[in-house]
Amino acid sequence: QVQLVQSGAEVKKPGASVKVSCKASGYTFTSYGINWVRQAPGQGLEWMGWISGYNGNTNYPQKVQGRVTMTTDTSTSTAYMELRSLRSDDTAVYYCARDPYHWGQGTLVTVSS
Amino acid sequence: QSVLTQPPSVSGAPGQRVTISCTGSSSNIGAGYDVHWYQQLPGTAPKLLIYGNSNRPLGVPDRFSGSKSGTSASLAISGLQAEDEADYFCQSYDSSLSGSWVFGGGTKLTVL
Repeated sequence: QVQLVQSGAEVKKPGASVKVSCKASGYTFTSYGINWVRQAPGQGLEWMGWISGYNGNTNYPQKVQGRVTMTTDTSTSTAYMELRSLRSDDTAVYYCARDPYHWGQGTLVTVSS
Repeated sequence: QSVLTQPPSVSGAPGQRVTISCTGSSSNIGAGYDVHWYQQLPGTAPKLLIYGNSNRPLGVPDRFSGSKSGTSASLAISGLQAEDEADYFCQSYDSSLSGSWVFGGGTKLTVL
């Protein structure tokens, strides 16, 4: 069965960077892309971007363009999302999702001085 | 501000029927993109409830139904149960944002 397993919680200081991983199993990694979605405490869901599992093409929304980089490692079927210049309002649970049905368990990123 | 608009909250008594609306625009729902609905319990990842406007994944009770018309979609929950108390989100795609995922702000369902 399709599984997406994410890395553990992170605590970062403002201005730092964080890199969250999402290890896929149960399907051919290069046949699907991976979306990243975040949810700030008590807030709604926000799409952070998409990366192709086939060729690494990416699509980022304007809001995070320039601060986010998504990559993949096809040898380990793992997708990564790096967010730089962290601010307190980046505190959120970050999810990877292959499609609406298959989501990772989420990774809490806390940005605090 | 979310791209799709949902009411912040709805409520109903056990056994009743409630509906949650999701309003978009001509660049997302109105452009013909599918709408999906998620249920989120506290501390958990969103769980797909309805996909492709009106389809239920295996295991989702038929008390949950979805529909779409024009630039809007709706989720209906009949025979409300206490366990239905959760947050509900709609999701679609947007052509002005290169096919990105767009979400509603979420609706808190309270079972009275």
